[in-house]
Amino acid sequence: SYDLTQPPSVSVSPGQTASITCSGDKLGETYVSWYQQRPGQSPVEVIYQDTKRPSGIPERFSGSNSGNTATLTISGTQAMDEADYYCQAWDSNTVVFGGGTKLTVL
Amino acid sequence: QVQLVQSGAEVKRPGASVKVSCKASGYTFTTYAFHWVRQAPGQRLEWMGWINPGNGNTRYSQKFQGRVTITRDTPASTVYMELSSLRSEDTAVYFCARAPNRGDLDYWGQGTLVTVSS
Repeated sequence: SYDLTQPPSVSVSPGQTASITCSGDKLGETYVSWYQQRPGQSPVEVIYQDTKRPSGIPERFSGSNSGNTATLTISGTQAMDEADYYCQAWDSNTVVFGGGTKLTVL
Repeated sequence: QVQLVQSGAEVKRPGASVKVSCKASGYTFTTYAFHWVRQAPGQRLEWMGWINPGNGNTRYSQKFQGRVTITRDTPASTVYMELSSLRSEDTAVYFCARAPNRGDLDYWGQGTLVTVSS
């Protein structure tokens, strides 16, 4: 089965840039989406098709995908961005999620 | 506006089955696929399967093959996920999500907690 690997945790100071990676074999050859999940809530999509932001998602969220690694970047991180983040891709007509990264803003 | 509203929490005995519903509104039901994703307490998101509501075609994760069935009721704009032979490890929040045929899941239901306990 296809695996997507994320760091378990990332810490960032308010106002700084946070980067969350997602690694998988030849990941750059498929689209990656990213979801934010706050405790007790449903996931919310923040990036789709590697780089696109859904309506209503702040511009400080951006994405990239090349080679074996996709990256979610949050510029000017705010306290409200503290959450779990999951990457997602397709493999052989099935959906795969990364293990999730807990972003701490401190 | 697009809404996915799921059925309420369930408590089941081991060996039983559970059927969770997801009612869509705010768009044409048959236009987008639906996926089911679950999340055990403190764990990652886990994909279960999807259905094309236009023709009823389904695809399931190998992990749940044989235990999960996803169906739809088009006039009611509702999709269902039934999981059988429940065990304690199936205790989780189950989410439905809409897939706009571009690789992502753009709208999610509020989640349904299924607790399996004797």
